[in-house]
Amino acid sequence: GALVYQYPRRTICKSGTSMRMECQAVGFQATSVAWYRQSPQKTFELIALSTVNSAIKYEQNFTQEKFPISHPNLSFSSMTVLNAYLEDRGLYLCGANRDRNSDYTFGSGTRLLVI
Amino acid sequence: DAKTTQPDSMESTEGETVHLPCSHATISGNEYIYWYRQVPLQGPEYVTHGLQQNTTNSMAFLAIASDRKSSTLILPHVSLRDAAVYHCILRGTGGNNKLTFGQGTVLSVIP
Repeated sequence: GALVYQYPRRTICKSGTSMRMECQAVGFQATSVAWYRQSPQKTFELIALSTVNSAIKYEQNFTQEKFPISHPNLSFSSMTVLNAYLEDRGLYLCGANRDRNSDYTFGSGTRLLVI
Repeated sequence: DAKTTQPDSMESTEGETVHLPCSHATISGNEYIYWYRQVPLQGPEYVTHGLQQNTTNSMAFLAIASDRKSSTLILPHVSLRDAAVYHCILRGTGGNNKLTFGQGTVLSVIP
């Protein structure tokens, strides 16, 4: 079956430092990868949608300068939270699908705590 | 993406059939209705989706109104494992391949 693994599961970083998180798709080709942040209040925010061989599309309020994303092949993506501050804490979710007609498979997320 | 409206929370007892409503009055013709659910410490899990016809799978039955302005996710004989936040999402078939999550419905299941 289609699975998505995210690591680390949880991490703590000091305010002003950066944190890289990874997303691995198993059992299918992750043509598109969507990165979300779920706040402590449980609200989902889409950060960006990355499609192989296309430009990464960032949502309003999120930028490549703050959340650079790499999607080098059909099984892997990574995202870095640069210069993290308190408002960046939350659960970062990676969802991937084969194409726009397929459902998304999500990982269990990387929980970021900023101190 | 068009907006969906769901109740904040619902409660059920084990073994009952649960009807989770979703309103999407401004849905457009090319938008599918997707349902995902999320349990604590996990990412969202796909439940089902449909366009116009009712659909069924091993997890749930999706009833779509004839005017497509509302839908109901029906969970037969719920168990404690079905306790989760259920998200009703509209997803276009055009160039937009993203899912826009709302707050969802928190389903509590009582033993």
